[in-house]
Order: sequence, then C-alpha cells, then structure tokens
Amino acid sequence: GNSVTQMEGPVTLSEEAFLTINCTYTATGYPSLFWYVQYPGEGLQLLLKATKADDKGSNKGFEATYRKETTSFHLEKGSVQVSDSAVYFCALGGGSQGNLIFGKGTKLSVKP
Amino acid sequence: NAGVTQTPKFQVLKTGQSMTLQCAQDMNHEYMSWYRQDPGMGLRLIHYSVGAGITDQGEVPNGYNVSRSTTEDFPLRLLSAAPSQTSVYFCASRNRFSSYEQYFGPGTRLTVT
Repeated sequence: GNSVTQMEGPVTLSEEAFLTINCTYTATGYPSLFWYVQYPGEGLQLLLKATKADDKGSNKGFEATYRKETTSFHLEKGSVQVSDSAVYFCALGGGSQGNLIFGKGTKLSVKP
Repeated sequence: NAGVTQTPKFQVLKTGQSMTLQCAQDMNHEYMSWYRQDPGMGLRLIHYSVGAGITDQGEVPNGYNVSRSTTEDFPLRLLSAAPSQTSVYFCASRNRFSSYEQYFGPGTRLTVT
C-alpha cells in the first residue's frame, strides 16, 4: 500500500544553517505530495505541495522537488531562522477517498 | 471565513466516560476527516466523510463514532473513553477538486485518566 517515510528527528540547527529533511514515498500512480508544518501548540498548515513529477513546490524560503525516479520529496531551506522551529510532516495524497497519508514528522529546533 | 473550528481545545475525561468532539467548517467542503496525533506515530486517520450522510472508517476507527448530518459539521464521539485514546485530535476538510490538499483545525488535546 501507499506509505511515506521521513527522517527521524529531532533535528537541531543553528540559525542560518542549511536544512534538509528527507522524505520518500511508496505509491502506485502519480500522487500529489505535500509538506505540512505544525508550530508549537497549533494545528497543521500546508507549507508547500507538488502535484506531478519534476514540480517544485516553494513557500517561505522552503523548497521541495517531486522526484519520480527516486520517489522522493525532500524539504530544503538555505538559511533557517529561529521562527522555523516546528514539526514538519511529509504527506501523500492517495489514501482512501482522498485522504492524506502522513510520515511520522520531524521536529526541527533552530538555536540563535 | 473561520476555516475549520474545533471545540473544546482541551478535555480531561475519566475512563468510561463519553464525550463528543465538535468540528465545523465554513468553506462548503465536501470531504471531512478526523485524525489523531500521537508521539512518533504521525497522524492516523480515524473516520472520514465524503458528504452529508456518508461516512467511512479510516485506519484506527475502534472506540469512535461519527455522523455527518450537514455539510458543515462532523462530530467525533468517544463512546467509552480509554487511556489509549489520550491524544491530540485534528479535524480536516477539503473540497473534491483540491488535489487532496486539506485544511486543518487547531486540534483538541484529550487526556483520559
């Protein structure tokens, strides 16, 4: 069945460091891929998405490219800020009746 | 638009008690879902609905009931609370044309003692 695997955390970085959070997926067909972010004490917000192979999603300095050949959708940011501290979830659109399948989440802490 | 709203934000129950978690959306979305979030487990689907009067089970439905009498509301009922149901519960909605993109409520943190 469809599944998502993302790197385990927690990840701790210094401000202005480069961020990569790995995400790979297993799916039939061409699912949509998403990154959601959860700030402390809040619900999930859509960060970015890609709906077909080679699409690049981007938002707030974060980017991820839909790689069909490696079944990956890694999240990157060139220079993280303290305000980026949150839990990041990779998700696959393709569950039953259009629901999302989530990875387990990666907690990012950015130190000043 | 208020988006997706959930009440209450926090709740403590004793084992065996019942309660209903409320979820409402004002975006006229057809699809609504309930997820639970547990440490190290990500989000797991409990129940979902593709429209008023239609519901179905997700990955972890046991111990929960849902109904969908209107497009706007999708309450989640805990029939007899157990400590294993201690979790954070999120409601989400989407329209059927949105490529699976979902909008989430702020969550309800439930503790069962």
